[in-house]
Amino acid sequence: KQEVTQIPAALSVPEGENLVLNCSFTDSAIYNLQWFRQDPGKGLTSLLLIQSSQREQTSGRLNASLDKSSGRSTLYIAASQPGDSATYLCAADTQGGSEKLVFGKGMKLTVNP
Amino acid sequence: EAQVTQNPRYLITVTGKKLTVTCSQNMNHEYMSWYRQDPGLGLRQIYYSMNVEVTDKGDVPEGYKVSRKEKRNFPLILESPSPNQTSLYFCASSFLAVGTGELFFGEGSRLTVL
Repeated sequence: KQEVTQIPAALSVPEGENLVLNCSFTDSAIYNLQWFRQDPGKGLTSLLLIQSSQREQTSGRLNASLDKSSGRSTLYIAASQPGDSATYLCAADTQGGSEKLVFGKGMKLTVNP
Repeated sequence: EAQVTQNPRYLITVTGKKLTVTCSQNMNHEYMSWYRQDPGLGLRQIYYSMNVEVTDKGDVPEGYKVSRKEKRNFPLILESPSPNQTSLYFCASSFLAVGTGELFFGEGSRLTVL
């Protein structure tokens, strides 16, 4: 059974730092891996989706990488800003059609001005 | 604007009083799903639907029902709510083509069962 882990559960950093958020999964047979952002009291917003054939995806200051062989994905946030404060979740797609997304429990990020 | 809309956003009810949480998407997505989010347990899938009239159980389906009579709507029904169903509920949708499953979420419905 696929398990997705995000460590640490929370992180507090000063503004301007470059950050690496980690996501580990136990079964390397995934179709894709998604990173989401969740603001307090809000729904999840998809940030990046990396297909199993890809190694990384980029959007603005965000870069996500995928290493299936080691069961790891990382989300890199460049030059962090207070507006980046949120909970970040990763999810592994084990079936190819979203029906069996397995979510990590998230990492709460606080960027201090 | 592409969106997933849930109603109500907040609801307080009592044990045993049937309720329905509606979910509607305007993106012509085949796939729709319901999740609940609880502190320390993360997001857990309740039910999902691959298309009209096709639904299946997720990880925690007990106490819930769903229906998919139209492509855009996927209501979640609690026939006899209990306090352990107090939670934050999310509806989500996506296209089904393999590898393109970017998931869109609604804003959430916070349910309290007394």
